Amino acid sequence: GDSVTQMEGPVTLSEEAFLTINCTYTATGYPSLFWYVQYPGEGLQLLLKATKADDKGSNKGFEATYRKETTSFHLEKGSVQVSDSAVYFCALVRGSTLGRLYFGRGTQLTVWP
Amino acid sequence: DVKVTQSSRYLVKRTGEKVFLECVQDMDHENMFWYRQDPGLGLRLIYFSYDVKMKEKGDIPEGYSVSREKKERFSLILESASTNQTSMYLCASSLVSGSVRGNTQYFGPGTRLTVL
Repeated sequence: GDSVTQMEGPVTLSEEAFLTINCTYTATGYPSLFWYVQYPGEGLQLLLKATKADDKGSNKGFEATYRKETTSFHLEKGSVQVSDSAVYFCALVRGSTLGRLYFGRGTQLTVWP
Repeated sequence: DVKVTQSSRYLVKRTGEKVFLECVQDMDHENMFWYRQDPGLGLRLIYFSYDVKMKEKGDIPEGYSVSREKKERFSLILESASTNQTSMYLCASSLVSGSVRGNTQYFGPGTRLTVL
């Protein structure tokens, strides 16, 4: 079945460090891929998405490229800030599944000044 | 902007009580979802609905039921609350699947339920 695996946290970085959070997926067909972010005490917000192979999603300095050959969608940011501290979720959806998302377990990121 | 609201941010109930969690969206979305979020387990889908009065079980429907009488409202019901249902509950909505734009889910702020 469809599934998403993302690197376990917590991830702790200093401000201005480079961030990578790995995400790989298993799905038939051509899923769309998402990164959601959850700030403390809030619900999830869409961070970025990509809908086909080689697409790059980007937002707020974060980027992720849809790699079909490696079934991956790794999240990167060149210089993290304290305000990026949050939980990050990778997810996929296929058109045939009535819109349900399959989430990874989430990665807690803490950025220290 | 899409807005998804949940009836309570925090709720404390006793074992055996019937609990209603309400979710309302204001963007005429067809799909609505209920998840629970637990540390180390991520988000797990309880139920979802793709139309009024239609529902589908997710991965962990046991102990829960849902109701969707109106398009904008999706209720999660714990028939007899138990301590293992203490969790964060998140509601989400999206447009009809099959369109790129439609696949984005919009989340409410969550309800933290404690069952004593």
